[in-house]
Amino acid sequence: EVQLVQSGAELQKPGESLKISCKASGYTFTKYWIGWVRQVPGKGLEWMGIVYPGDADTRYSPAFEGQVTISADTSMNTAYLQWSSLKASDTAMYYCARHRREVVTAHEPFHIWGQGTMVTVSS
Amino acid sequence: EIVLTQSPGTLSLSPGERVTLSCRASQSVSTSFFAWYQQKGGQAPRLLIYETSTRATGIPDRFSGSGSGTDFTLTISRLEPEDFAVYYCQQYVGSPRTFGQGTKLEIK
Repeated sequence: EVQLVQSGAELQKPGESLKISCKASGYTFTKYWIGWVRQVPGKGLEWMGIVYPGDADTRYSPAFEGQVTISADTSMNTAYLQWSSLKASDTAMYYCARHRREVVTAHEPFHIWGQGTMVTVSS
Repeated sequence: EIVLTQSPGTLSLSPGERVTLSCRASQSVSTSFFAWYQQKGGQAPRLLIYETSTRATGIPDRFSGSGSGTDFTLTISRLEPEDFAVYYCQQYVGSPRTFGQGTKLEIK
C-alpha cells in the first residue's frame, strides 16, 4: 500500500527551528515528485513547493522561497520541511503529498497525501 | 501567478440534487494541467479529477469535470451525504502551482 506518514504535531516558540517529516512507503521513493501544502486553520490550500528525490531538484512557490527548506533523504525514504526561525504566522496544518505519476516532469497533481502535521507557533 | 477564483463560496443543497461548481483562471490553462480535490472536515484533501475530466482511481462516476481556457467546472450529478465537503480546483502548469479558495457544499 502506498502511504505517506507524517511526524506528529508540534508546539514551538517564535524564533525556534523546526523540521517535520513525511515517510513514504509502498513505492519507489526516488521516482516521484513529493511536495508540501500549507493550510492555515479555516483557510484554503497553499502550494509550497516540491522536491524530486531522484536528483534533489527542488521548486518553491515565491511565497515560501527563503522561508522554508524542502528536502528528501533517499536512504530514509523521507521528505522534510524545515524552518530556521519560526513565526506565529507559520501556525498551520502542513500536508505532504506525492505526484500522481512516476515521471520526470514537475507538472502533476497531488495524488497521495499524508495525514497532516499541525504546527503551532506561540510564545 | 495564475489566480483561480471559485464560485460560489458556499452552496446549500439537499442529497439527490445536481450541483455544478465553477473555477475561473486569471489566464488560460491547458486542460492537461487542471485538477479538482475534495476535503472533508479534519481530513487531508483527496484528488477527484485530473487533466480537467479524468476521474482519479476509486472516484464514483457521479463526479465529472469539464472546461477549457479560463473556465472549468466540477459537476456532481446526484449528491450523496458523503459529498458534503469543501472542493478546491488547482492548476499545475504555472509556477507556482495554485489552488482556488474553495467552495463549501453544505447540507440544506
